[in-house]
Amino acid sequence: DGGITQSPKYLFRKEGQNVTLSCEQNLNHDAMYWYRQDPGQGLRLIYYSQIVNDFQKGDIAEGYSVSREKKESFPLTVTSAQKNPTAFYLCASSHGALTGNVYEQYFGPGTRLTVT
Amino acid sequence: GEDVEQSLFLSVREGDSSVINCTYTDSSSTYLYWYKQEPGAGLQLLTYIFSNMDMKQDQRLTVLLNKKDKHLSLRIADTQTGDSAIYFCAEVRSNDYKLSFGAGTTVTVRA
Repeated sequence: DGGITQSPKYLFRKEGQNVTLSCEQNLNHDAMYWYRQDPGQGLRLIYYSQIVNDFQKGDIAEGYSVSREKKESFPLTVTSAQKNPTAFYLCASSHGALTGNVYEQYFGPGTRLTVT
Repeated sequence: GEDVEQSLFLSVREGDSSVINCTYTDSSSTYLYWYKQEPGAGLQLLTYIFSNMDMKQDQRLTVLLNKKDKHLSLRIADTQTGDSAIYFCAEVRSNDYKLSFGAGTTVTVRA
């Protein structure tokens, strides 16, 4: 059963702590993405990776970091430098530009992070 | 402000048609998408339309594209309670080929 998994579904942290959100896909997609969703707003792109060992900043990368050591995995770290980290975080993946429709993104179930 | 704009709420009676509207800004956008998000879940790709098309029908879903006005709509025929969700419109940005999402339209289906 192919898909994208994110864990955990709910995450609670104290202010000043770094936290890492997991994203795994078994769709054999080259590209992976992290978005942030806030109430009443559209999704905003944090980071994306088009291939293993490479990633680029999205529109709101400050206070976040990522790694892409394996094709299947794209973890996101929310650092203590992120001013307003409480949000719903969504991971997505797509084919690469050479292998399919790079714009057709498939989403995981999301992780709701609450920082107090 | 948002590059992609949608009205925030829509209430519709079960069995009626729903029409969700969206305006976008990038006239060079190649693909436009509709995603559905149920409470507490990720986004599900519903349908998309290529920019050289005016209309696309997929079962109960009809997408209309007016390129001149940069207006996109999603019509859901015979709306059911399971259609209650947030619907997002998204355009492919021609400058970096990333998706730009609207704020989402919350559709509530009443009996």
